Amino acid sequence: DTGVSQDPRHKITKRGQNVTFRCDPISEHNRLYWYRQTLGQGPEFLTYFQNEAQLEKSRLLSDRFSAERPKGSFSTLEIQRTEQGDSAMYLCASSQGGGLYTDTQYFGPGTRLTVL
Amino acid sequence: QQQVKQSPQSLIVQKGGISIINCAYENTAFDYFPWYQQFPGKGPALLIAIRPDVSEKKEGRFTISFNKSAKQFSLHIMDSQPGDSATYFCAASILPRGGADGLTFGKGTHLIIQP
Repeated sequence: DTGVSQDPRHKITKRGQNVTFRCDPISEHNRLYWYRQTLGQGPEFLTYFQNEAQLEKSRLLSDRFSAERPKGSFSTLEIQRTEQGDSAMYLCASSQGGGLYTDTQYFGPGTRLTVL
Repeated sequence: QQQVKQSPQSLIVQKGGISIINCAYENTAFDYFPWYQQFPGKGPALLIAIRPDVSEKKEGRFTISFNKSAKQFSLHIMDSQPGDSATYFCAASILPRGGADGLTFGKGTHLIIQP
């Protein structure tokens, strides 16, 4: 399968614990995005990488959220000191970039986080 | 601030009918408007997208109509089939910054096609 993959698919944690999610983009894509989707809502943009550079992080929900893409390939999203309000689906997307007229973002299946 | 407003929230259409979903945006800097389809437990998948320099784009049974002056765009699904039952999201972004702001999504429309 050559699509975007995310791991784990489901994560249950207790309030106050730290969690980390991984995203593997489509191999030739240099852009990688993280979104959060709560029940009944559209995905909400969190952050974006161009290769290993994080070009937009002001939309991360709080300083408890951080993301890395150390070698410009896979990325991780970490949430520290989780709260019940962090329960959501966390989606990763990747795109090839460079297009003047289009830049299709391909989404992974998401990681469902439940904070007890 | 909700920059992309989508309606209706839910829609029931008979098989073979036309499904119409509408979106309105506020940020005039948006210049890329995709529609995504999402099935339960899956990530969104791109259906069709349009730039504001055209008023309509058609791909198979899916058509986007775009009204730049009204800041509105809509998705039409012709000959709707039960397999089209899903949640549909409109979205907007800014190019050629390459989508650096990410996509701004509407709240979604839950579409049910009745056999």
